[in-house]
Amino acid sequence: DAGVTQSPTHLIKTRGQQVTLRCSPKSGHDTVSWYQQALGQGPQFIFQYYEEEERQRGNFPDRFSGHQFPNYSSELNVNALLLGDSALYLCASSLFGPSSGANVLTFGAGSRLTVL
Amino acid sequence: EDQVTQSPEALRLQEGESSSLNCSYTVSGLRGLFWYRQDPGKGPEFLFTLYSAGEEKEKERLKATLTKKESFLHITAPKPEDSATYLCAVQYSGGYQKVTFGTGTKLQVIP
Repeated sequence: DAGVTQSPTHLIKTRGQQVTLRCSPKSGHDTVSWYQQALGQGPQFIFQYYEEEERQRGNFPDRFSGHQFPNYSSELNVNALLLGDSALYLCASSLFGPSSGANVLTFGAGSRLTVL
Repeated sequence: EDQVTQSPEALRLQEGESSSLNCSYTVSGLRGLFWYRQDPGKGPEFLFTLYSAGEEKEKERLKATLTKKESFLHITAPKPEDSATYLCAVQYSGGYQKVTFGTGTKLQVIP
């Protein structure tokens, strides 16, 4: 059973460029969350997608956008890259649960973005 | 604002030397507190979910406990393969489906 897969694993961009990261969720999961993890820090919530809509968003600028496809896969787009966008970008999938429940996240290995 | 604080930031233990990691949280309406393990260059791996104060869960040398304000991850007789960063995270009613992470404790177990 394939877990969460992310691509690419590593990429290098220059300031001002745009990047697209991709994620395929674990089989049976319908919700995708994206996190940014700077070196030595915990993952920071970017946003979450369910039923092809952005359901919740963290404290990130509009340069960060996303999309979810009918097969539940997702993309994270970052425009006008800054040096501070260099980080490990993690995709996590889960099953959308009741409002009273707690949903366990399954993470991919991440995409390491370096902005020069 | 939701907040999750972990301590210590780093911990170095001799093999077999037991210790505890702390996670304190200030959210209200806790729906779940999670512990994850993260190895270098990899995504976090789920360990435990705790739902209410007084709950405990165990897995091999790890035991997680929960009170109304904090959680502890106890590591008994650790081995070098337990070396990793341990992340605490919470999900609370005001945050809907969002899971908020702490900064982690980097554990190193010396043979």
